[in-house]
Amino acid sequence: EAQVTQNPRYLITVTGKKLTVTCSQNMNHEYMSWYRQDPGLGLRQIYYSMNVEVTDKGDVPEGYKVSRKEKRNFPLILESPSPNQTSLYFCASSLSLGVGGYTFGSGTRLTVV
Amino acid sequence: SQQGEEDPQALSIQEGENATMNCSYKTSINNLQWYRQNSGRGLVHLILIRSNEREKHSGRLRVTLDTSKKSSSLLITASRAADTASYFCATDNTDKLIFGTGTRLQVFP
Repeated sequence: EAQVTQNPRYLITVTGKKLTVTCSQNMNHEYMSWYRQDPGLGLRQIYYSMNVEVTDKGDVPEGYKVSRKEKRNFPLILESPSPNQTSLYFCASSLSLGVGGYTFGSGTRLTVV
Repeated sequence: SQQGEEDPQALSIQEGENATMNCSYKTSINNLQWYRQNSGRGLVHLILIRSNEREKHSGRLRVTLDTSKKSSSLLITASRAADTASYFCATDNTDKLIFGTGTRLQVFP
């Protein structure tokens, strides 16, 4: 089944403890992206990647890192999480930007205390 | 940066009625997409309309695009309780897909 798999689904962590949210797609998509969703603010893009080894900042990149060493994986790294990063995170992929719709993962609900 | 603005923010209707949601955007686009999100879940792609298209249909969905007014509408005909969800428009420009804040649709049985 074609899908984007995010893990974990839920995560509670403490301020400053490094964490990684994994994202993997099995559709050979070139384009991958991370969004965060907050009430009243909609979905905001954190980082995106046009292809392997190509990543760029979105609208809210501060406090986040990403890497794209392989086409299928696009992990989101929070080096030192803070409470303002408490949010619902989504990974998404598409064949290429401007070609078809995005396939979204099921989301990761992160709470930083 | 927010590109799409949906209107209304919330909509409540009875089963069988039609639901219309509108989206306005600010800059030129390659295409416009509509997504659906059930509470707390991932978004599901519904339909994509290209900038040179004016109308598109998919099952009970009808999307229109007016690039001169920078607006789009999503019509769901003969709504069902299972259509209850949030609906987002998203505009595709050169390097990203930008989402609006969504319309929350409630369909009562």
